[in-house]
Amino acid sequence: EPEVTQTPSHQVTQMGQEVILRCVPISNHLYFYWYRQILGQKVEFLVSFYNNEISEKSEIFDDQFSVERPDGSNFTLKIRSTKLEDSAMYFCASSQQGPYSNQPQHFGDGTRLSIL
Amino acid sequence: DQQVKQNSPSLSVQEGRISILNCDYTNSMFDYFLWYKKYPAEGPTFLISISSIKDKNEDGRFTVFLNKSAKHLSLHIVPSQPGDSAVYFCAASGNSGYSTLTFGKGTMLLVSP
Repeated sequence: EPEVTQTPSHQVTQMGQEVILRCVPISNHLYFYWYRQILGQKVEFLVSFYNNEISEKSEIFDDQFSVERPDGSNFTLKIRSTKLEDSAMYFCASSQQGPYSNQPQHFGDGTRLSIL
Repeated sequence: DQQVKQNSPSLSVQEGRISILNCDYTNSMFDYFLWYKKYPAEGPTFLISISSIKDKNEDGRFTVFLNKSAKHLSLHIVPSQPGDSAVYFCAASGNSGYSTLTFGKGTMLLVSP
C-alpha cells in the first residue's frame, strides 16, 4: 500500500539554526499537510498546501515557517530560526482530494525534532 | 480550546470483548469525523470515518456511531484483539474555514490476552 515517507526520523538542531523536514507524499495525492505534536499534547494542524500554494494555515505557522514543493515528489517544511518550543513530532500528511471531499488524510511516521 | 474532546486518556479491555472509545465535539460546523490509530514511533493510521449525513459506519470489526444532536461519536471494536492496543485519535473536519483536521488528545487502548 502506498505510504507517506518522512526523513529524517529524528533531527537534533541547535537553537537558532534552520531546519528542513522532508516528506514524500503518496504519488497521486494532490493535497499536502503538516501537523505537529508536542510531547504529551494533541496533534495540531500547521498548514495545508495545494497547487503550489498554501491553502490554509494555523496561527502556529508564523513567519519562521515555510513550505515548498521543490519538485514533483517532495514536500518540505522549513523552520528558519528554531526555538526550544519547536521541539515536537512533525507529521506530514496527504490526501487524494481536498479536505471538503471527505477523503481521509494519510500520515507519515513523523520526524522527531529536538532543539537544544 | 478543545473543539474535539476525548475524555478518557486510557481504556483497558480483555481480548474478545468490546472496546468503546468515545469522542465529543463542540463545533457544529464539523461534518466529517475520522478515527486514527497510532502505534509508538509511527504516524496516525486512518481507521474509519463517518459523514454527518450518516449515524453509523461499519468496517469489519470497527463501527463508528455518530449522534449529531449530542455532538458525540464513538468507535466500537468487536471483538478486541491484543494487536488493537494503540492510541486512538478522534478527528473532525468541516466547511467554512474548518477544512483541516482537528484532533482530540487520544485514548490509549490496552487489550490484554
